[in-house]
Amino acid sequence: GAVVSQHPSRVICKSGTSVKIECRSLDFQATTMFWYRQFPKQSLMLMATSNEGSKATYEQGVEKDKFLINHASLTLSTLTVTSAHPEDSSFYICSGRPSYNEQFFGPGTRLTVL
Amino acid sequence: KNEVEQSPQNLTAQEGEFITINCSYSVGISALHWLQQHPGGGIVSLFMLSSGKKKHGRLIATINIQEKHSSLHITASHPRDSAVYICAVPPSYNTDKLIFGTGTRLQVFP
Repeated sequence: GAVVSQHPSRVICKSGTSVKIECRSLDFQATTMFWYRQFPKQSLMLMATSNEGSKATYEQGVEKDKFLINHASLTLSTLTVTSAHPEDSSFYICSGRPSYNEQFFGPGTRLTVL
Repeated sequence: KNEVEQSPQNLTAQEGEFITINCSYSVGISALHWLQQHPGGGIVSLFMLSSGKKKHGRLIATINIQEKHSSLHITASHPRDSAVYICAVPPSYNTDKLIFGTGTRLQVFP
């Protein structure tokens, strides 16, 4: 299957700082990338859908000014958590869609805000 | 009622056993995904199928579109198969999104 990487895999930051997470499709072009978050023992929750070259579409309840998404190329999308708070601590996962119906997931980034 | 339901929620097996995990859905779909999430958190796409059966190594996935049901089978299970298995579907009313099942936590003991 196609490969998606995320960087960093783990990050610890202080409250009030911003953290950027990168999602790359390594062997395919992804016109659409998705960002999810997952709390312990819970299912993935879609945060936003990112289309290359256009603004991301955020799910209801997700603050677009807090979770900045940039999808500047067909192989890279970034999620920036601005002014992070402890409640933002979570597991963030991206996925890329090379074609209709397919999705390939990244390994995830564990964010801990102190 | 959830649109995607999995059973069982938890499953324990001895190494070598044949495992079956079930997924039922109530929405119209054109495909179904089976995903694997290890304790470290990363998600691996195992299968995407829209009809019939697919096999990869010791893993077999089947789907019955009429009955809105899919199964994931693991033959000759091994401790390294211990993970959470998740089925997910893009509903016909919004194929941009995936609806996730609640997952099946599998533990295989040596």
